[in-house]
Amino acid sequence: LAKTTQPISMDSYEGQEVNITCSHNNIATNDYITWYQQFPSQGPRFIIQGYKTKVTNEVASLFIPADRKSSTLSLPRVSLSDTAVYYCLLNYGGSQGNLIFGKGTKLSVKP
Amino acid sequence: EPEVTQTPSHQVTQMGQEVILRCVPISNHLYFYWYRQILGQKVEFLVSFYNNEISEKSEIFDDQFSVERPDGSNFTLKIRSTKLEDSAMYFCASSASGKGANTGELFFGEGSRLTVL
Repeated sequence: LAKTTQPISMDSYEGQEVNITCSHNNIATNDYITWYQQFPSQGPRFIIQGYKTKVTNEVASLFIPADRKSSTLSLPRVSLSDTAVYYCLLNYGGSQGNLIFGKGTKLSVKP
Repeated sequence: EPEVTQTPSHQVTQMGQEVILRCVPISNHLYFYWYRQILGQKVEFLVSFYNNEISEKSEIFDDQFSVERPDGSNFTLKIRSTKLEDSAMYFCASSASGKGANTGELFFGEGSRLTVL
């Protein structure tokens, strides 16, 4: 199984843009890159999914270079409520049924 | 916004007892899942369920576990004889579609915390 590596933790301040990079050197041709967010004592929540180039939705952007060996989740102008754990996952064919979660990146947003 | 609901939110049980955790997936979803998260650890896949049968299961999902969709709305996880190491948060999830290209997101419930004493 292709593995992802992301920082264990990050700190930021309100109003800043936060970029969380995930490495996946052995990503397979059919793998999509998906990011989930988890608040304490809650279930994970889908943020964004992409295959290549850039994907943007109302909450985040996902940048994927041509070689797809890494990806960057960009959160524009974070607030205190964005404090959470962010997971980068690879899922075959975009299927999100049997997700393999890593340890994620714990983002702490300070006032 | 439609959501996945789980009951109970917290259950305390004695080792060896049977536990049933209940979930009501989003109404038009067809694929259902259970995950668990031991305190401070990763979210782990347990089982996926479609068309009234298990699609996939992990090594964690042994003979002590079973799932059922007893009616048109509920999806349950049963642990036959609980062990101390079953203490965890159990998350139910559902999706509109399952294995295949670009199936879209999983919607997770708030979780049921199981404490085995």
